[in-house]
Amino acid sequence: AQTVTQSQPEMSVQEAETVTLSCTYDTSESDYYLFWYKQPPSRQMILVIRQEAYKQQNATENRFSVNFQKAAKSFSLKISDSQLGDAAMYFCAYRSAVLNKFYFGSGTKLNVKP
Amino acid sequence: NAGVTQTPKFQVLKTGQSMTLQCAQDMNHNSMYWYRQDPGMGLRLIYYSASEGTTDKGEVPNGYNVSRLNKREFSLRLESAAPSQTSVYFCASTEGPGGSPLHFGNGTRLTVT
Repeated sequence: AQTVTQSQPEMSVQEAETVTLSCTYDTSESDYYLFWYKQPPSRQMILVIRQEAYKQQNATENRFSVNFQKAAKSFSLKISDSQLGDAAMYFCAYRSAVLNKFYFGSGTKLNVKP
Repeated sequence: NAGVTQTPKFQVLKTGQSMTLQCAQDMNHNSMYWYRQDPGMGLRLIYYSASEGTTDKGEVPNGYNVSRLNKREFSLRLESAAPSQTSVYFCASTEGPGGSPLHFGNGTRLTVT
């Protein structure tokens, strides 16, 4: 089974600064999809960004962007101009293009300091 | 548009009791999932249903059963609850194979005493 590793259990960032959350994964598949989800204290799971493995271009959604390194099996999330509302748990997820399963990392808790 | 609806939001059970968590989606999605979330362990897949009429075990299926009642509904049953099943449970759905993301319900916090 694929594994997803988030090695940073908790991180802090000053408001308006930039922070990068790390994610690595292990797979033998060549085609797959990667996601970042945000979970605020409300417990709701919110999709932040999505990346197709066959695309070399890194995905971007407003202040959120990824650094996808396929050979290194790395998928980090960069949050620019951090806001207080960005404080949450962030989960990295892997989806096989063939199988109907999603695999999640253990999460990174992001604190944003005013 | 409600998306994925889970009931109940909270539940307390005594060891040995049974209960069913309900999940329904109104997005015409083919695939549905049950995850549990425990501190420091992320989300772990309990069972999933790739399409109506099929169900498969995930990473942690022991102690659970599921039913894909129809395309909309996917329930999770605890036959004899144990304290180790204290967790937050999420139902999710997606269109099917490919790159579509998971859409989540708001979760059920279950405590087994």
